[in-house]
Amino acid sequence: GAGVSQSPSNKVTEKGKDVELRCDPISGHTALYWYRQRLGQGLEFLIYFQGNSAPDKSGLPSDRFSAERTGESVSTLTIQRTQQEDSAVYLCASSSPSRTSGSSYNEQFFGPGTRLTVL
Amino acid sequence: QKEVEQNSGPLSVPEGAIASLNCTYSDRVSQSFFWYRQYSGKSPELIMSIYSNGDKEDGRFTAQLNKASQYVSLLIRDSQPSDSATYLCAVNTGTASKLTFGTGTRLQVTL
Repeated sequence: GAGVSQSPSNKVTEKGKDVELRCDPISGHTALYWYRQRLGQGLEFLIYFQGNSAPDKSGLPSDRFSAERTGESVSTLTIQRTQQEDSAVYLCASSSPSRTSGSSYNEQFFGPGTRLTVL
Repeated sequence: QKEVEQNSGPLSVPEGAIASLNCTYSDRVSQSFFWYRQYSGKSPELIMSIYSNGDKEDGRFTAQLNKASQYVSLLIRDSQPSDSATYLCAVNTGTASKLTFGTGTRLQVTL
């Protein structure tokens, strides 16, 4: 496909269960990002991957959250022992950072998101 | 102080008018600035990016950047009901790093 894809689109789980969310970035995009958006709130950065560099995990809210990415392909975000406060839409974005004329570009394109509901 | 600030609105404009959306940011080293449109229940859609001081036009949209004042705005000319959405301002401080988002301004275009 041409855009970022995410699965599942919706996930309902019980408190304490583990969940795994998947993101397939735009082909050729080296950077991949995960964000979280709680109902009625702004986007909250979680983690990003850039090529083979160490990921920036500075936004992960707790050690229950982890993410992996193999090379420049699919990424999975795992939430262990889910809590009700984890209920949100989890958004994945990808970009192909580039430099031109001394400026830095980082246009990020978002997938449709996974709506997670923890009962 | 929030890193990226926007008026939450709602901003109500009549059809055909100009909608003006504003955003201020606190980090002076910010390099890239983006406007996203988000319809209810949907993911953000990139509509404008701007990197240099001044204006950048794309169709009915104009982004304006003033780095000295740490201010970026989005003008929507000839507003249409389909423009009714939440507009998110986002700021990036590096080549490949996270975006910091404002909480968004809800725009309502009335008939």
